[in-house]
Amino acid sequence: DTAVSQTPKYLVTQMGNDKSIKCEQNLGHDTMYWYKQDSKKFLKIMFSYNNKELIINETVPNRFSPKSPDKAHLNLHINSLELGDSAVYFCASSHGLAGARVDTQYFGPGTRLTVL
Amino acid sequence: QKEVEQNSGPLSVPEGAIASLNCTYSDRVSQSFFWYRQYSGKSPELIMSIYSNGDKEDGRFTAQLNKASQYVSLLIRDSQPSDSATYLCAVNRDFNKFYFGSGTKLNVKP
Repeated sequence: DTAVSQTPKYLVTQMGNDKSIKCEQNLGHDTMYWYKQDSKKFLKIMFSYNNKELIINETVPNRFSPKSPDKAHLNLHINSLELGDSAVYFCASSHGLAGARVDTQYFGPGTRLTVL
Repeated sequence: QKEVEQNSGPLSVPEGAIASLNCTYSDRVSQSFFWYRQYSGKSPELIMSIYSNGDKEDGRFTAQLNKASQYVSLLIRDSQPSDSATYLCAVNRDFNKFYFGSGTKLNVKP
């Protein structure tokens, strides 16, 4: 079984549309993340949830809205898509234990979003 | 200044040589440090984690951490063509917060 899964793998859409990406992890982790990786391979954190609570929101436009129905799922909804939103979006998870010295992230396979 | 800086490369080494990848970070309170490997079109996969000064070895890989210099490196011994990928350095500073460098592309030539 895949530890961190994302759907869809590819998403091609027109500017102005609204789309969602889903993420699920079966590792029993408490923390989940969304990252955006641009064409230059820079991996930038967007959001982090711990036990369904938002803990990190890295200056992401309001058009992006994460939702965590339970700690195993973190979905990303994007409104009014723009050309600059084209990128690969990675979901990740980690144990996320406060005070833990080392916390390791495991990444999903990524969703390649292309906005035309 | 970026949180994590890496030379984008590409770094080219012949098969069997040692590849040396470097990373610097800006915040002295960073606690944990990671090297991820990312093949083209794939997701990052963890290679090494280190949080104490010094060296940590795992097979052909050695991570080196120098907190005084705010410097992390990854050595790959006996480099193989299958090691050709982009290597991402990451640091963990705050709870649940990870910062990534932009990666160094490594080419291992047969």
